Amino acid sequence: GQQVMQIPQYQHVQEGEDFTTYCNSSTTLSNIQWYKQRPGGHPVFLIQLVKSGEVKKQKRLTFQFGEAKKNSSLHITATQTTDVGTYFCAGELMDSNYQLIWGAGTKLIIKP
Amino acid sequence: EPEVTQTPSHQVTQMGQEVILRCVPISNHLYFYWYRQILGQKVEFLVSFYNNEISEKSEIFDDQFSVERPDGSNFTLKIRSTKLEDSAMYFCARAEFTYAGTENYGYTFGSGTRLTVV
Repeated sequence: GQQVMQIPQYQHVQEGEDFTTYCNSSTTLSNIQWYKQRPGGHPVFLIQLVKSGEVKKQKRLTFQFGEAKKNSSLHITATQTTDVGTYFCAGELMDSNYQLIWGAGTKLIIKP
Repeated sequence: EPEVTQTPSHQVTQMGQEVILRCVPISNHLYFYWYRQILGQKVEFLVSFYNNEISEKSEIFDDQFSVERPDGSNFTLKIRSTKLEDSAMYFCARAEFTYAGTENYGYTFGSGTRLTVV
């Protein structure tokens, strides 16, 4: 079946360092969405990317969608403690009723 | 506070018992979803519900599961005979769409119900 692979599973960074997570789909996606989940919380929508090669920015967060609409990345510049959580990508399948296939998530951990 | 409200926040049930998870109240949205997340793992799609009918369902959503919108607002997920492996966070979600309905702008998740089967 369709899968979305996300790496790394964990990333430990010092506060102020950058963070990147990558997603790769086995099939072409209609769009890809990114969510953040704090420990014990629910996924919170960050952004949706629809167009091939699209790049979007939200302050220190940069989201990219690959040309083939199969891969995506999230890059956080100069991490802060408020960035802690798990970041999930979720791809929407073509010809589906907006069903999302989720990556396994990347947990951002700030080293003390 | 999330715009999608779920109750209860935590439910403990005996294996083999029936549970009903609720998503309340819901405004005039047409698309609803149930997802689950086993502790520390990825979010998994269960079922989508459009215009009071099941639109799509995953392999997880077997005969033990059912969804209803009994009174036009509440949206329920029923598990008829719970198993230990049903222990998870269950999230209700709605999708936000453009006026034309051709592109969605992400999902709003409820705060979830933590189901523990013992």
